[in-house]
Amino acid sequence: DQQVKQNSPSLSVQEGRISILNCDYTNSMFDYFLWYKKYPAEGPTFLISISSIKDKNEDGRFTVFLNKSAKHLSLHIVPSQPGDSAVYFCAASPTFNNDMRFGAGTRLTVKP
Amino acid sequence: NAGVTQTPKFRVLKTGQSMTLLCAQDMNHEYMYWYRQDPGMGLRLIHYSVGEGTTAKGEVPDGYNVSRLKKQNFLLGLESAAPSQTSVYFCASSKSHRGNTEAFFGQGTRLTVV
Repeated sequence: DQQVKQNSPSLSVQEGRISILNCDYTNSMFDYFLWYKKYPAEGPTFLISISSIKDKNEDGRFTVFLNKSAKHLSLHIVPSQPGDSAVYFCAASPTFNNDMRFGAGTRLTVKP
Repeated sequence: NAGVTQTPKFRVLKTGQSMTLLCAQDMNHEYMYWYRQDPGMGLRLIHYSVGEGTTAKGEVPDGYNVSRLKKQNFLLGLESAAPSQTSVYFCASSKSHRGNTEAFFGQGTRLTVV
């Protein structure tokens, strides 16, 4: 069973607009949530994370929001740039081990 | 700075053949992982290691074996390849096993079993 779900396989936005990528999880033991970005023919790279004791974490153009009661998190990219076009993976992990569970990914396309 | 390097990048195997995927990291990380990525499934953990000489099973370990004889290397073996093992394999390493620690990934190995 997939404990982390990204229900949108793809998302297309115009350059300069906001991109919102969503992620849902089922396991209440998850305490950390991470977003990874993946370009073709490369491995995933870490983008941003959030702890379950917070509801928001911001890093430049990237903000992650966590709604623990709804078991939902989202990644906002503002403004979106063509270089942001990639597959974004949501991952979740318990506190005391790095047994990350990944979502299936969302392919973001930012059109110039 | 190479980071995490996987060898080979591509491989085609016949059913029943064996092979070993090599992962090397130069960041002195204690923890290393092998994942597989399949369409619609995300990345799933096969095996991991919390230090030299130690390994443990992940979410989908069947059909794979691993070894960590040196801290910088983590090997993934397929003893008798099956078409269901056609996938993209990623190795990763991290400095801590805590859940908030980012993992560094290799570029992946695309394996096709025919």
